[in-house]
Amino acid sequence: AQKITQTQPGMFVQEKEAVTLDCTYDTSDPSYGLFWYKQPSSGEMIFLIYQGSYDQQNATEGRYSLNFQKARKSANLVISASQLGDSAMYFCAMRPSTGGFKTIFGAGTRLFVKA
Amino acid sequence: NAGVTQTPKFQVLKTGQSMTLQCAQDMNHEYMSWYRQDPGMGLRLIHYSVGAGITDQGEVPNGYNVSRSTTEDFPLRLLSAAPSQTSVYFCASSGDWGSTNEKLFFGSGTQLSVL
Repeated sequence: AQKITQTQPGMFVQEKEAVTLDCTYDTSDPSYGLFWYKQPSSGEMIFLIYQGSYDQQNATEGRYSLNFQKARKSANLVISASQLGDSAMYFCAMRPSTGGFKTIFGAGTRLFVKA
Repeated sequence: NAGVTQTPKFQVLKTGQSMTLQCAQDMNHEYMSWYRQDPGMGLRLIHYSVGAGITDQGEVPNGYNVSRSTTEDFPLRLLSAAPSQTSVYFCASSGDWGSTNEKLFFGSGTQLSVL
């Protein structure tokens, strides 16, 4: 069965420090995409970063990077130089190549950035 | 460029009432989906479609109906509302397989309360 696990319900980080949000996944598909989305208090869903299962290098998008460890089935999000505006809910998601290309989500991690 | 348009933003229903949540996208995306978001459970897939005339069930389909008569529209019908369907609903669409084309574009969400 396909599954995404985010074990940190809540995280605190000091402004300007880096933070890692954990994500592990379970799939038997050889090909899949991994995503992180941000949901601020306004409720909108914002795409942050994508990693393909066959990508050799870790994805980066500005202050966001994805620490992809395929053998461990891990796709942690690293936010460098945290800002107050990073306080939000963060969701890890996966889209396997089979089964209708359904995207499934983890339960999310709420990040609080302290001034 | 409107992206994904979802209506209404808020709705209150009485138990047993029916209603339709509307979703339209103008990006010519083949893949469309409906999620519900409940505290501590992330986003759970209700129904999805990989093209006009093709729909399938997600993780939590009971009590919901969908159809896809055009590429643009993917309405979600609540047949007989129950308090357990109180939730925030998101419609999302995405492009073809491969790279960030797979990322989901979300509507603004519908906050539904069933009394």
